[in-house]
Amino acid sequence: GAVVSQHPSWVICKSGTSVKIECRSLDFQATTMFWYRQFPKQSLMLMATSNEGSKATYEQGVEKDKFLINHASLTLSTLTVTSAHPEDSSFYICSADGGQGIWEQYFGPGTRLTVT
Amino acid sequence: AQTVTQSQPEMSVQEAETVTLSCTYDTSENNYYLFWYKQPPSRQMILVIRQEAYKQQNATENRFSVNFQKAAKSFSLKISDSQLGDTAMYFCAFMTGAGGTSYGKLTFGQGTILTVHP
Repeated sequence: GAVVSQHPSWVICKSGTSVKIECRSLDFQATTMFWYRQFPKQSLMLMATSNEGSKATYEQGVEKDKFLINHASLTLSTLTVTSAHPEDSSFYICSADGGQGIWEQYFGPGTRLTVT
Repeated sequence: AQTVTQSQPEMSVQEAETVTLSCTYDTSENNYYLFWYKQPPSRQMILVIRQEAYKQQNATENRFSVNFQKAAKSFSLKISDSQLGDTAMYFCAFMTGAGGTSYGKLTFGQGTILTVHP
């Protein structure tokens, strides 16, 4: 149980285009999902908290117009990188909150984004 | 705000031996949870062990155990009988409990790259 999937696992896009990454909780409902960014051999940096049916909460320094987050259902959150540039190339990881009383996040396998 | 510090960027250990990874944290919260995650080369985050701050007993999961010192705000991970498959990056993480200012959010340390040698 508690499986989180991400799609795609790897994407290459051209500079200036947009790319959408999906995060799904497969066997549970997730009111809250989180999006992280990770550079090689570095830690996970929280980008935003996504709550079903409401606007995402972005961490300081994260451009909300560049990283659009939508949490339209209890099993799906999407991250759209708009007008991508090479510096947006990174590993993006989502996690889903296990819910009240669970006190744990379940992580997706991550998406490698390369912007050329 | 919470901070988590892992002071060992890299560690190595021989197969079958024991290694301890260090983690300290800073918080003004009283209700929180601590975690160790493993990130192997596949980059999938895997929960290794968790500790509830209100529990005095140290958590144990098979070969993995923690030394939780609440007053010192220290949370180290001991890996016994190290195996080649333990080679990974290990992250210490902090989560505020109910009523906390950053409810549900995880704050990660910088990570420790552990290499197990045959």
